[in-house]
Amino acid sequence: DVVLTQTPVSLLISLGGQASISCRSSQSLVHSNGNTYLHWYLQKPGQSPQLLIYQVSNRFSGIPDRFSGSGSGTDFTLKISRVEPEDLGVYYCLQRTHNPRTFGGGTKLELK
Amino acid sequence: EVQLVESGGGLVQPGRSLKLSCVASGFTFNNYWMTWIRQAPGKGLEWVASITNTGGSTYYPDSVKGRFTISRDNAKSTLYLQMNSLRSEDTATYYCTRDYYSAPFDYWGQGVMVTVSS
Repeated sequence: DVVLTQTPVSLLISLGGQASISCRSSQSLVHSNGNTYLHWYLQKPGQSPQLLIYQVSNRFSGIPDRFSGSGSGTDFTLKISRVEPEDLGVYYCLQRTHNPRTFGGGTKLELK
Repeated sequence: EVQLVESGGGLVQPGRSLKLSCVASGFTFNNYWMTWIRQAPGKGLEWVASITNTGGSTYYPDSVKGRFTISRDNAKSTLYLQMNSLRSEDTATYYCTRDYYSAPFDYWGQGVMVTVSS
């Protein structure tokens, strides 16, 4: 199975600051069709997860442009600029290129 | 508005069975794959089962293969998860999700808790 390693595990950020989360894969996530199926989710405290970014860099409907995704192959990054209180929670990456689909272990974003 | 509402969770003894349901609304149910994802208390997310839009194919990780069965009734816009031979490690919140290939799990239910304990 593909292992996704997220770093850091925990992140302390000041309001208005910038956060960067890494997701590294044990295998290339480039599908045979040329697409890369790496996605990002946020689980706010006490809530269900929500989709933020799909296929590396595409923001889902309603997601502000403070969120951006980048990367290729095995290394991917989620950046959150101008952090707001509603951005706090646990961030997960997911790969769907290979079966079974696997999630990263999560990164908890907290206020400094 | 897309809505996914799970039900059927609860406390069950090891080795027993439980069936979860998820009623979908706000979208054309039979156009989408559907997936169950679970989260053990204080832990991360784990894919549990997926089903194609017609119900013709199903997919499972090794951890539940042979014990869990995903199914759907497109006429009722309802997704199911039959869980047999339950183990303590199956204790988790189970989420019903809409599964679009390029943007998977774009909508989630509120989750339903399953506790396996004697």
